[in-house]
Amino acid sequence: DVKVTQSSRYLVKRTGEKVFLECVQDMDHENMFWYRQDPGLGLRLIYFSYDVKMKEKGDIPEGYSVSREKKERFSLILESASTNQTSMYLCASSFPGQVNSPLHFGNGTRLTVT
Amino acid sequence: QQQVKQSPQSLIVQKGGISIINCAYENTAFDYFPWYQQFPGKGPALLIAIRPDVSEKKEGRFTISFNKSAKQFSLHIMDSQPGDSATYFCAATEPSGSRLTFGEGTQLTVNP
Repeated sequence: DVKVTQSSRYLVKRTGEKVFLECVQDMDHENMFWYRQDPGLGLRLIYFSYDVKMKEKGDIPEGYSVSREKKERFSLILESASTNQTSMYLCASSFPGQVNSPLHFGNGTRLTVT
Repeated sequence: QQQVKQSPQSLIVQKGGISIINCAYENTAFDYFPWYQQFPGKGPALLIAIRPDVSEKKEGRFTISFNKSAKQFSLHIMDSQPGDSATYFCAATEPSGSRLTFGEGTQLTVNP
């Protein structure tokens, strides 16, 4: 079974802090994604990566950056956390080149910025 | 701008009833339409998916109906069970890659 592990289940940070959300997958997937989930807004893509050291902006990249130094690890960085970044963050991975390849999600990190 | 619109936002159904969730899309380049199911405390997981060359796909109690001309697709859950209580997301993607666009989600509650 594919496992996508997000390092923290809950995080509480202060406004202005630099925040790192970590994600590791164990299935050698090339594709990795960061989504945020908010009630009524669904899942919105923040950033994604199709290979090591490669990244592309999703639909809502403002205020975020990412790092992919190793194939299995994809980190989301909030450079200066703000209260409007309080949300559930979901990491996902998939095989490349297959349109039908399902996304495998982690269980999420609920971030609260105070 | 939401490219995939989903309704209703929440749905309450009695055990044994039919749950219906609808989605509409604008981008005619979309050619793969999956549904994801999310239980509380868990990430979403693929439930069922359809390509636009068929009008219906059934897997057990779950059926996707697809109307290409109307750019709409829907999920039907027959004989709904309390264990089906979850949040459901429709999604769509273009042929070029793996990037999914999700709908807003529907929170389904099936009462015993």
